[in-house]
Amino acid sequence: KQEVTQIPAALSVPEGENLVLNCSFTDSAIYNLQWFRQDPGKGLTSLLLIQSSQREQTSGRLNASLDKSSGRSTLYIAASQPGDSATYLCALYSGGGADGLTFGKGTHLIIQP
Amino acid sequence: NAGVTQTPKFRVLKTGQSMTLLCAQDMNHEYMYWYRQDPGMGLRLIHYSVGEGTTAKGEVPDGYNVSRLKKQNFLLGLESAAPSQTSVYFCASRAPSFETQYFGPGTRLLVL
Repeated sequence: KQEVTQIPAALSVPEGENLVLNCSFTDSAIYNLQWFRQDPGKGLTSLLLIQSSQREQTSGRLNASLDKSSGRSTLYIAASQPGDSATYLCALYSGGGADGLTFGKGTHLIIQP
Repeated sequence: NAGVTQTPKFRVLKTGQSMTLLCAQDMNHEYMYWYRQDPGMGLRLIHYSVGEGTTAKGEVPDGYNVSRLKKQNFLLGLESAAPSQTSVYFCASRAPSFETQYFGPGTRLLVL
């Protein structure tokens, strides 16, 4: 069974710092991997999606990488801002069907002004 | 274009009561999903559907039933609510290709 782990569980950094969130998975046979953002009491917003054949995706200050062979993905946030404070979730498709995403438990990020 | 909507937003039930959560999407997606989110557990898949009239079990289906009578709607039913079903429920949809899932805002359910 696929398992997804996110480290750290919580992170607090001063505004302006660059930071990296980590996601690891146990089965490298994945179709794609997504990073989501969740604000308190809200739904999930998709940030980046990396197909299994890709190594990275970029959107603005966000860059996500994927290394299937080592079972790892990272989300890099450049020049962090207080508005980046949220919980970041890593999720992936594996198994080949219409099955839902397998989620990590998330990293709760606080950017201090 | 509203995306994925869920009703109700919040509900309190007593143990043994029944209720139905409604999910609607306007993106003409074939696939729809119900997840629950619990503290310390992350999101877990309850049931999903690959098209109108079809449903399948996910990771934690016990105590729930679903129906997909129309392509745009996916209903989640609790026949006899239990305190263990206190959770936040999220609906999601996507196109058949392995693209992003779009999530609704969630339904908070408290079972007393």
